[in-house]
Amino acid sequence: NAGVTQTPKFRVLKTGQSMTLLCAQDMNHEYMYWYRQDPGMGLRLIHYSVGEGTTAKGEVPDGYNVSRLKKQNFLLGLESAAPSQTSVYFCASSYNSRTDPLPYGYTFGSGTRLTVV
Amino acid sequence: RKEVEQDPGPFNVPEGATVAFNCTYSNSASQSFFWYRQDCRKEPKLLMSVYSSGNEDGRFTAQLNRASQYISLLIRDSKLSDSATYLCAVSGNNAGNMLTFGGGTRLMVKP
Repeated sequence: NAGVTQTPKFRVLKTGQSMTLLCAQDMNHEYMYWYRQDPGMGLRLIHYSVGEGTTAKGEVPDGYNVSRLKKQNFLLGLESAAPSQTSVYFCASSYNSRTDPLPYGYTFGSGTRLTVV
Repeated sequence: RKEVEQDPGPFNVPEGATVAFNCTYSNSASQSFFWYRQDCRKEPKLLMSVYSSGNEDGRFTAQLNRASQYISLLIRDSKLSDSATYLCAVSGNNAGNMLTFGGGTRLMVKP
């Protein structure tokens, strides 16, 4: 049972380069999220998706794009990396029930450590 | 004011001690609350969910005070392995089950 898998685990980019972070979950969860975690700032939501083909902006979306072409995958793209995007990126997924409106906790991937120089 | 606030610590306690952390939230419409544990350089892992007044799981007890808008986490009989950062997370009345996280409280349990 893999849960949530993120690739790559580490990456160093030069300013202006682009890259895509991949998140895959095998739990059939509808909801998926991308967060970044920085010292002193905690976890901040970048983008999220409530289902295949849907995406929405979170708290800090600038400089990032996302796509959810398949239910199990949620991609995070950096078109032109900046040093301010140096961070640890976590993907998460969540179950949602059509009959129980209470939210459920997240399952996180192991993270991607990105350094932009 | 941040939406979810935690004392960053660190809390340094001896083995066997009881320790409690608080987490305050600003959105009175918040519905659900969670405690996560995060080890150094690892992902957060769900520790407890708090949907009503509280929840207990072994040595861990979470309580919710809606009037004062805070949740607490109590750890009894602390173990060395409890050393970690504890994050609280709050969900408002939003579609998409988005969680807002606090900055975390670091706990160090000493022999």
